[in-house]
Amino acid sequence: SQQGEEDPQALSIQEGENATMNCSYKTSINNLQWYRQNSGRGLVHLILIRSNEREKHSGRLRVTLDTSKKSSSLLITASRAADTASYFCATVSQGAQKLVFGQGTRLTINP
Amino acid sequence: NAGVMQNPRHLVRRRGQEARLRCSPMKGHSHVYWYRQLPEEGLKFMVYLQKENIIDESGMPKERFSAEFPKEGPSILRIQQVVRGDSAAYFCASSGGIVEWTEAFFGQGTRLTVV
Repeated sequence: SQQGEEDPQALSIQEGENATMNCSYKTSINNLQWYRQNSGRGLVHLILIRSNEREKHSGRLRVTLDTSKKSSSLLITASRAADTASYFCATVSQGAQKLVFGQGTRLTINP
Repeated sequence: NAGVMQNPRHLVRRRGQEARLRCSPMKGHSHVYWYRQLPEEGLKFMVYLQKENIIDESGMPKERFSAEFPKEGPSILRIQQVVRGDSAAYFCASSGGIVEWTEAFFGQGTRLTVV
């Protein structure tokens, strides 16, 4: 069953701009994780944010979590062509020991 | 510390044959997860294993699919009598603890094509 839903499904911006992707989910969670997937490759872990955290940073990445709205956002600042990829959020529900993925956002950075 | 290793990277099978996909988790990791991904879609959970135990197989098709994670050696996802609909990318992930508390790391995947 689908848990996370990313929005938008596709996003195209100019290099240097900021990119924001959103993720909504349905059940109470223990944590939410963001992953990047380059075309034809595996997934690279970006950030894990726990249910008691509201914001985390890692380099040019900023993740927020609003458990009252059951939503998260991933912000990539000063985007680069190399950021072109699909981005997925994955949730771990309370009592479950598995990641449930959304459909992803396909991000294209235009040089 | 090598990452999660999957082999083969690409596998072609004729309808009716068996496919065996292997996954070696990161060193020290005892939790393994298998996912399937169709083109332009997200990853669908299949099975979660710990050493010698299947913990959650709620995403596994009832027939033809099986998984194991023996005490020694890699985890194996086995698909018997493959059909065209089994064509997909299969990803393995491992974690050092339960994913309620820690991140999972993914392999590069095995792309199965059934002809």
